[in-house]
Amino acid sequence: AQTVTQSQPEMSVQEAETVTLSCTYDTSENNYYLFWYKQPPSRQMILVIRQEAYKQQNATENRFSVNFQKAAKSFSLKISDSQLGDTAMYFCAFSEKKSSGDKLTFGTGTRLAVRP
Amino acid sequence: DSGVTQTPKHLITATGQRVTLRCSPRSGDLSVYWYQQSLDQGLQFLIHYYNGEERAKGNILERFSAQQFPDLHSELNLSSLELGDSALYFCASSPGGGTGAYEQYFGPGTRLTVT
Repeated sequence: AQTVTQSQPEMSVQEAETVTLSCTYDTSENNYYLFWYKQPPSRQMILVIRQEAYKQQNATENRFSVNFQKAAKSFSLKISDSQLGDTAMYFCAFSEKKSSGDKLTFGTGTRLAVRP
Repeated sequence: DSGVTQTPKHLITATGQRVTLRCSPRSGDLSVYWYQQSLDQGLQFLIHYYNGEERAKGNILERFSAQQFPDLHSELNLSSLELGDSALYFCASSPGGGTGAYEQYFGPGTRLTVT
């Protein structure tokens, strides 16, 4: 069974600064996906970024980028130029690559506070 | 807006009752997933349907059941409700079907309170 670990329950960053959220996972699979989801106070789950395991290039979406280290089973999220709207709970998630899709296994989340 | 709709947004009911949560996936998505988010258990996968067929079950109680209809909307039925069933229930959808797109988009959730 896959497991996802987020070892930072809470983090804080000054507005406009950069912050990195950590995630490690454990799997015996070779084909899989990794995701970061954001859950703001509204409780909506918002997809931030995804990474396919077979791609060596790290994914980037505007101010969000990942550092994917497959051998180390590490998948960290870097938020650049932090904004107040980035304040949220961030969940790292894993899914296997299956033709019909696969469930997401989530970490326990990191609560990020952006200070003005 | 993810394109996934869930009704109702809030539900308050008593122990022992039965409720039905409804989900409409994004247009064209064949896969529907249900998740439960509670304070003590975090985000837990319940069940996955693909094009009307059950594909996987997670930590879903026997008191809970789900189905996906021909128009691809899905319903999650919760019966003999207990206080511990109070949680936020999410539906998510993804294309599936070998399209190469596997990210899941979440609905706004249904907040269930059992009193």
